[in-house]
Amino acid sequence: GEDVEQSLFLSVREGDSSVINCTYTDSSSTYLYWYKQEPGAGLQLLTYIFSNMDMKQDQRLTVLLNKKDKHLSLRIADTQTGDSAIYFCAESPSSGYSTLTFGKGTMLLVSP
Amino acid sequence: DGGITQSPKYLFRKEGQNVTLSCEQNLNHDAMYWYRQDPGQGLRLIYYSQIVNDFQKGDIAEGYSVSREKKESFPLTVTSAQKNPTAFYLCASTPGRWQSYGYTFGSGTRLTVV
Repeated sequence: GEDVEQSLFLSVREGDSSVINCTYTDSSSTYLYWYKQEPGAGLQLLTYIFSNMDMKQDQRLTVLLNKKDKHLSLRIADTQTGDSAIYFCAESPSSGYSTLTFGKGTMLLVSP
Repeated sequence: DGGITQSPKYLFRKEGQNVTLSCEQNLNHDAMYWYRQDPGQGLRLIYYSQIVNDFQKGDIAEGYSVSREKKESFPLTVTSAQKNPTAFYLCASTPGRWQSYGYTFGSGTRLTVV
């Protein structure tokens, strides 16, 4: 079945760039997603990339997709303390169903 | 404003009791989902429904039940058969039956067994 792996923790200083990595196993994934979760809240969609793209940029966020290695990354430029949260990578299969498979989440801690 | 409302935000259950978590959306979305979140475990799918009066088991459906009598509502019942129900429960919806983009999440219900 599908599996999504992420590192569990990342610590950076304010103003630095953050890079959160994710690997997935389903080579037929159509969409790959990044979600943000703040403490005690639901998930908020940050960005997504279609599987035929290599890169997507949206303001401070850059998503890179290496389909050959099944590797996805999220780069946050000029990281702020408000970016401290858990970030989830998720994939959707190409089977036509709408369910997502989530990674376990990477906790990003931004220190002043 | 459109969105998903989960209630209550906090819920306490005694051993052996059934409890029902509410999820209501006014987005006119067809599909709705229930996920369970445990620390360090990510999100695991409990049940999902792609259309009214139909629902499917997810990866961890044992000890849970759902209904989908109205498009707007997808309540989750945690039964006494669920041995370890303490967790954070998230409801979500998507516009279409077959699309994964456009997931909207509720703010969650934290269930604690006392």
